[in-house]
Amino acid sequence: SQQGEEDPQALSIQEGENATMNCSYKTSINNLQWYRQNSGRGLVHLILIRSNEREKHSGRLRVTLDTSKKSSSLLITASRAADTASYFCATDANSKLTFGKGITLSVRP
Amino acid sequence: SQTIHQWPATLVQPVGSPLSLECTVEGTSNPNLYWYRQAAGRGLQLLFYSVGIGQISSEVPQNLSASRPQDRQFILSSKKLLLSDSGFYLCAWTPGTGWYEQYFGPGTRLTVT
Repeated sequence: SQQGEEDPQALSIQEGENATMNCSYKTSINNLQWYRQNSGRGLVHLILIRSNEREKHSGRLRVTLDTSKKSSSLLITASRAADTASYFCATDANSKLTFGKGITLSVRP
Repeated sequence: SQTIHQWPATLVQPVGSPLSLECTVEGTSNPNLYWYRQAAGRGLQLLFYSVGIGQISSEVPQNLSASRPQDRQFILSSKKLLLSDSGFYLCAWTPGTGWYEQYFGPGTRLTVT
């Protein structure tokens, strides 16, 4: 069963705009991770936030975690056409990851 | 540096034929290894994981099996493919228990006809 559920399912924005993607989950977690997948390729790890953290930054990425609401958000600032990809949240419990269905982000140049 | 390889990159197989997909990791020892399947428009489904040679845990009952004959080699097999086995198969590794980020291979696109 899917633990993480992302929304929206698809997002289209103009280059330079910010993109916000959300993830909700159902059970307790050790950490939550975001991955990126370019079409037809493997996944690339973007960022990990532990259950005792509320916010984390990495370059143009900002992740928040609200364990009381069982939700996380990924913000990509100043988007670029190269950010076009699918983004997945994954929840970690007992060293096994459970992935959501993903969000398709299209950044128009 | 560590790298992960998967082959073949693409595969078209008839229903009822056998399957063997291979994954190898270089530059590390005793990794945890994972096989995932990604169906079109869906997330990743964990199929098998292994914490050591000969140690395989199955997550989803199906006609697939996995083996780990060497420390850095992980093989996904089937004796008879079904149409529903079509998908994108991804292998991933982590340095070991307690390391959370997973590193993915390039994937194998399997089409069963």
